[in-house]
Amino acid sequence: DIQMTQAPSSLSASVGDRVTITCRSSLPIGNALAWFQQKPGKAPQRLIYTASNLQAGAPSRFSGSGSGTEFTLTITGLQPEDFATYFCLQHSRYPPTFGGGTTVDI
Amino acid sequence: QVQLVESGGGVVQPGRSLRLSCVASGYTFNRYALNWIRQTPGRGLEWLAAISVDGTATNYADSVKGRFTISRDNSKNTLYFQMDRLTVDDTAVYFCARDFGFWGQGTLVIVSS
Repeated sequence: DIQMTQAPSSLSASVGDRVTITCRSSLPIGNALAWFQQKPGKAPQRLIYTASNLQAGAPSRFSGSGSGTEFTLTITGLQPEDFATYFCLQHSRYPPTFGGGTTVDI
Repeated sequence: QVQLVESGGGVVQPGRSLRLSCVASGYTFNRYALNWIRQTPGRGLEWLAAISVDGTATNYADSVKGRFTISRDNSKNTLYFQMDRLTVDDTAVYFCARDFGFWGQGTLVIVSS
């Protein structure tokens, strides 16, 4: 299975900050990577698909980059509603695998 | 709008069975593959199974292969997950998802004696 290593596991930030989260895959996955936001008690919501495409309805302060084995989610201008947990997912090959998550708090 | 609604979770004893359902609406059901995914505080998010648009092709995670069965009824816009020989390690919130872009709200399964 492809392992997804996500870092950091948690971070503290302030409103207005620029936040960067990374995911590294154990094998090349092209651009078959998605980023999700999850709030307590809710289902994950996709923010980014195919590494860099913004999901319809997601705020433009979210952006994704990378290909191969290194990927980044950037939040430019953190908003109060962005305090949540973020996950990456590779769907290049079965089984799809998730990163361990990054909790962004104040 | 696309909606997925899971049901069927609950408390069950180890070794017993449970069937989850996921009713979809807001899109043409038989045009999309579907997945089951679960989440626990300790193991995070774990993909479990996928099924093709017509139900003829399935894939499973090793952790559930041979115990769990994914199926769908396109006439009822419903996805199923038959879970047999449950263990305490199967305790989790179970989500259905369409191409990972749309998720249900989840249903909690607790396996406990």
